[in-house]
Amino acid sequence: RKEVEQDPGPFNVPEGATVAFNCTYSNSASQSFFWYRQDCRKEPKLLMSVYSSGNEDGRFTAQLNRASQYISLLIRDSKLSDSATYLCALQNTGGFKTIFGAGTRLFVKA
Amino acid sequence: SQTIHQWPATLVQPVGSPLSLECTVEGTSNPNLYWYRQAAGRGLQLLFYSVGIGQISSEVPQNLSASRPQDRQFILSSKKLLLSDSGFYLCAWSYGTGGERPQHFGDGTRLSIL
Repeated sequence: RKEVEQDPGPFNVPEGATVAFNCTYSNSASQSFFWYRQDCRKEPKLLMSVYSSGNEDGRFTAQLNRASQYISLLIRDSKLSDSATYLCALQNTGGFKTIFGAGTRLFVKA
Repeated sequence: SQTIHQWPATLVQPVGSPLSLECTVEGTSNPNLYWYRQAAGRGLQLLFYSVGIGQISSEVPQNLSASRPQDRQFILSSKKLLLSDSGFYLCAWSYGTGGERPQHFGDGTRLSIL
């Protein structure tokens, strides 16, 4: 079983839609969790950290569910500019290495 | 604030030629440094990471090597490139200490082997 699994998509949604991505992980000792955004032919950029209490940044909400071992990213009121690949990532104890999911592609259409 | 510089942005090399990609970080000391490769349409593959000068950990056996001659400099090298070395090479850094250490990436080098 892979350490991190994401639905590769693509997710095709109209502007204004709400879309949610999940990412499951297998190591219950995982400590820190993140979402990254990667535009086509660009580097991944940190979008937000993910906490059990949930955290929100504008239209983006991230949530960690330790019991079920998944993290989620919710995007409300999708914009054309949200079209990208979204990567989940986690760190185990020590934090030297980050394990990245393969990414979920999102296309937002007018 | 911290910045990471990676060059060149694109590179076209013949099979069998050598390679040297350089990455430097500014605005922090003793960072953890990483080299990743991303094949077209694929996920990130960790190649090397370093927690200090001269300390290199290799994740994937291949014809690439890495060096860290200075605290904030990380170099990826090869003596003889293979066709399979084509890809998008990304350097990243994170804080050396602390609990949560998200990685931050450079702009990447797109390497094509002919």
